[in-house]
Amino acid sequence: AQSVTQLDSHVSVSEGTPVLLRCNYSSSYSPSLFWYVQHPNKGLQLLLKYTSAATLVKGINGFEAEFKKSETSFHLTKPSAHMSDAAEYFCVVIPGGGATNKLIFGTGTLLAVQP
Amino acid sequence: DVKVTQSSRYLVKRTGEKVFLECVQDMDHENMFWYRQDPGLGLRLIYFSYDVKMKEKGDIPEGYSVSREKKERFSLILESASTNQTSMYLCASSLYLAGALNNEQFFGPGTRLTVL
Repeated sequence: AQSVTQLDSHVSVSEGTPVLLRCNYSSSYSPSLFWYVQHPNKGLQLLLKYTSAATLVKGINGFEAEFKKSETSFHLTKPSAHMSDAAEYFCVVIPGGGATNKLIFGTGTLLAVQP
Repeated sequence: DVKVTQSSRYLVKRTGEKVFLECVQDMDHENMFWYRQDPGLGLRLIYFSYDVKMKEKGDIPEGYSVSREKKERFSLILESASTNQTSMYLCASSLYLAGALNNEQFFGPGTRLTVL
């Protein structure tokens, strides 16, 4: 079955330190992968997406993610956290293979940024 | 910028009531989606529509129906609301279905529904 797993439900970092939010996926095909962010009381906003081009993907607000097929991972990173990064982050996979037109969402990682 | 709006941010209804959640997008997108979001479960797809008057069930359609009479508007209907339908409901739209490369979904702000 196709799925996506976010390994941490909560992550807490200090302002100015690196951020790592982990995501693993399973897919029988070549997937498309996304990270969305949701700030409190807001809808989801696309951070970045991987669609079989470059494996290192740069997104908005200094975030980036690297697609590693051998590890079936798509971890989200940022070199230096800012207070405004505090939000919930969702890893999303489209399994590919043309058989589905649905996004599969991870359960989310809540990022807290301490001053 | 794409804008997806939802008719209410907060809604409180009683068990057994019929509930309508409205969603409007302004970018002429073909596809529209309804999700519910619950803590620890992420987003789960209820229904989606790829054209006017067309609809397909998502992962959790039970207890819900939808209506798409116009391209820009997609309504979620709870025929007889129950307490287990208390949740955050998110509407989204996209130009392409998920199988295409440029398949970003644009989300509305959500409606937090409480059923008493």
